[in-house]
Amino acid sequence: DTAVSQTPKYLVTQMGNDKSIKCEQNLGHDTMYWYKQDSKKFLKIMFSYNNKELIINETVPNRFSPKSPDKAHLNLHINSLELGDSAVYFCASSQDHASVNEQFFGPGTRLTVL
Amino acid sequence: DQQVKQNSPSLSVQEGRISILNCDYTNSMFDYFLWYKKYPAEGPTFLISISSIKDKNEDGRFTVFLNKSAKHLSLHIVPSQPGDSAVYFCAASGAGGFKTIFGAGTRLFVKA
Repeated sequence: DTAVSQTPKYLVTQMGNDKSIKCEQNLGHDTMYWYKQDSKKFLKIMFSYNNKELIINETVPNRFSPKSPDKAHLNLHINSLELGDSAVYFCASSQDHASVNEQFFGPGTRLTVL
Repeated sequence: DQQVKQNSPSLSVQEGRISILNCDYTNSMFDYFLWYKKYPAEGPTFLISISSIKDKNEDGRFTVFLNKSAKHLSLHIVPSQPGDSAVYFCAASGAGGFKTIFGAGTRLFVKA
């Protein structure tokens, strides 16, 4: 029974398309995150929601829009995809947003923009 | 601006020996440090953490050391096992806001 799941695992698409990545956690956590791991392998925070409210919104193009319908789900919608959006995107969750809490990661979604 | 740095992209160690992975940080406001382990095609998984008020935390074969004056932490794995071969990410949190900052990772190879 997967704690943090993401769909799809792989996504190949053309430039200019709009795509969504879904994330669900069954841990009962209050806080969820989206990270981008780029070609240099850094894991960079993009967004974080706590109880469906946005608490972190990094300098990310506004083509990226997170949506949290409930605290168990945090989806990521990307408009007008660009080549530079190619990366692995990880969803994560934690009990709450306190710094002591470990984060539980999903398996990642590898996005390739052609 | 890399606030968390792992300067060794890779490390190779013989099975049974000690693996030492290093991490440096620049922001003295960080109050919590974590290590995550990542296998290929999987997400990172939490390994061990340490609060800034401590200088050592041990969990089985894994020990994390924190040197606040040097802004340096290290993860010791002893004895190393082939199953420890993975990418290890150092992370820091608590410097205002709710962000956790990750390093670029160090790939550990444990040779049988």
